[in-house]
Amino acid sequence: AQSVTQLGSHVSVSEGALVLLRCNYSSSVPPYLFWYVQYPNQGLQLLLKYTSAATLVKGINGFEAEFKKSETSFHLTKPSAHMSDAAEYFCAVRVNTGRRALTFGSGTRLQVQP
Amino acid sequence: NAGVTQTPKFQVLKTGQSMTLQCAQDMNHNSMYWYRQDPGMGLRLIYYSASEGTTDKGEVPNGYNVSRLNKREFSLRLESAAPSQTSVYFCASKPQGSNTGELFFGEGSRLTVL
Repeated sequence: AQSVTQLGSHVSVSEGALVLLRCNYSSSVPPYLFWYVQYPNQGLQLLLKYTSAATLVKGINGFEAEFKKSETSFHLTKPSAHMSDAAEYFCAVRVNTGRRALTFGSGTRLQVQP
Repeated sequence: NAGVTQTPKFQVLKTGQSMTLQCAQDMNHNSMYWYRQDPGMGLRLIYYSASEGTTDKGEVPNGYNVSRLNKREFSLRLESAAPSQTSVYFCASKPQGSNTGELFFGEGSRLTVL
């Protein structure tokens, strides 16, 4: 079975600083990996996805993530935080066997300080 | 485009009452899902439907039933609500033939059981 661990339930950065949200996965087969963002009182919106093409994936709003098989990681980064980036971020994994549904991490709430 | 529509958005129930959460998608997706979101636990899969006429249990199916009424609609029923079912419920759908498994989410239904 696959699983996802997000380190840090809350991350606080200053506006203009680097954003780094950590995600490690566990899977016995090649995974598909996703980052979703949830703004207050809204549903989840896809930021980016890894589908075994390029290991560095660029998403919306200036976010990107790098798939590192040796570290089983898929960390999300953004060079310069904006106030509008304040939200909750979820990492998710899926494999092409069994249930084929997404398994989500516990989420990281990003706070951006002025 | 409406995408994935959930009703109601908010509901308060008393212990033992029953209710049905409705979900409809207008994107001609085959697969539909129900997740619940609880603080610090991310999203957990309750039930899913890979195609019209089929449903399967997810991680946390106890206390819930589902109906895939047609290709568009997938409802979640609580027969006898319990306080432990206080949560935010998300319906999602997946494009037909999608290998990567990207999900499209509704805006959520916030349920409180007293």
